[in-house]
Amino acid sequence: DAKTTQPPSMDCAEGRAANLPCNHSTISGNEYVYWYRQIHSQGPQYIIHGLKNNETNEMASLIITEDRKSSTLILPHATLRDTAVYYCNSEASGTYKYIFGTGTRLKVLA
Amino acid sequence: DAGVIQSPRHEVTEMGQEVTLRCKPISGHNSLFWYRQTMMRGLELLIYFNNNVPIDDSGMPEDRFSAKMPNASFSTLKIQPSEPRDSAVYFCASVGPPNTEAFFGQGTRLTVV
Repeated sequence: DAKTTQPPSMDCAEGRAANLPCNHSTISGNEYVYWYRQIHSQGPQYIIHGLKNNETNEMASLIITEDRKSSTLILPHATLRDTAVYYCNSEASGTYKYIFGTGTRLKVLA
Repeated sequence: DAGVIQSPRHEVTEMGQEVTLRCKPISGHNSLFWYRQTMMRGLELLIYFNNNVPIDDSGMPEDRFSAKMPNASFSTLKIQPSEPRDSAVYFCASVGPPNTEAFFGQGTRLTVV
């Protein structure tokens, strides 16, 4: 299973884009990259995932480098409600083994 | 669908007592996960099932912990006997087809005194 590393914390001004990096240098060819966030002590909530192409949905965009060793989650217009812990993890296709790292605590400032 | 349902939401018990946490996954999901979250250790995967069969229990901390999935709509995580260091929030999650996201329950906050 690929190990992921993320900065422990980041701040972002409200209305600006939040760019959250994740390093997954040991990822293998069939491992997807997933992003979740956890607000307060609720259960983690899925945001987006991808294999090698960039992905976008209504919540965020995911940029995966060509060598797949790192990715960036982009929240295009951060709001105060985006303050949360953001987790990047990987899952070898079909194994269902979702391992979470320590995450990045994002604080959106008014 | 109501999502992944866990019960109870909060449990306070005395050291040495048996504790049973319950989880109902989303209907049609084939995989179920139990996680434990603490400030010190973060979100740890304890065990996961695929089609009701335990696939990997390497995260279960010790023999005091056991998990079952008697059918596709129900799973339990049991701690016997419980200890204060088991105090944590326990999450259950379920996944449908391969390469899709996990859906988490609201968690059970366990306090062992």
